[in-house]
Amino acid sequence: DAGITQSPRHKVTETGTPVTLRCHQTENHRYMYWYRQDPGHGLRLIHYSYGVKDTDKGEVSDGYSVSRSKTEDFLLTLESATSSQTSVYFCAISDSGGAGDTQYFGPGTRLTVL
Amino acid sequence: GNSVTQMEGPVTLSEEAFLTINCTYTATGYPSLFWYVQYPGEGLQLLLKATKADDKGSNKGFEATYRKETTSFHLEKGSVQVSDSAVYFCALGGNTGNQFYFGTGTSLTVIP
Repeated sequence: DAGITQSPRHKVTETGTPVTLRCHQTENHRYMYWYRQDPGHGLRLIHYSYGVKDTDKGEVSDGYSVSRSKTEDFLLTLESATSSQTSVYFCAISDSGGAGDTQYFGPGTRLTVL
Repeated sequence: GNSVTQMEGPVTLSEEAFLTINCTYTATGYPSLFWYVQYPGEGLQLLLKATKADDKGSNKGFEATYRKETTSFHLEKGSVQVSDSAVYFCALGGNTGNQFYFGTGTSLTVIP
C-alpha cells in the first residue's frame, strides 16, 4: 500500500469555522490531489499540486484553498465551512502526473459541517 | 470535455454469477482508463487499468478492454465471490496533471 495518511479521519465542525485537512505521503511522489466524494457524484477533483508551491484548481474548487510547502504534505483549507461542504475527502498521489500514471488514494476524512 | 458514465446500481448477484458493469467515456486526446474498488470505510484501490486502445487490464479475475470504437471500458468477472462486494468506480485520466474523472460508482453486493 502507498504510504498516504490523512488527518483527521473524522471531524465535526460548525458553519463558518475554518477547517484544515492534512495529507501526508512517504512516497516522494510529485503530484498530490484532493477529491471530495458525494453520493451520485463519484469523486470530484478540488485542487491538485504538481510540486512544492505549485497548485492548480480542479472541477469544484470554490470555497477551498490548498498549500504545499513540502513534498510530503498537502493541506486543504475550508476558510469558512458551509453545510454543502459536508463530504468525504480523499487525498491521492501520483508519481509523474503523466497519462496512465496511477493515482493512489488515502483512507479519507469524513467531514460534517453542522 | 471529459466525462465518464457508469452503470447505475446497486447490483445484487448470487455467488458465482457473471458480472458486468458498464462504463462509457467522453474524452479529448488519448486518455487512460481505470477501474477502482472501494470497500466500506476505506479509500479507493486500483483494480486494473489500460493505457491505450485495445489494451486489456486484468486483476483478481476481473478484466476490462479499452474499446475506442465504442468509447467503453466495461468491467467483467466470470464468477463473483462474496468478498467482491464493494463499490466500483470507472475513471478516466491523462490530461494536464493527469486529472482524473470518475463515474458515480456502482455498488455490488454478492449474496451466498
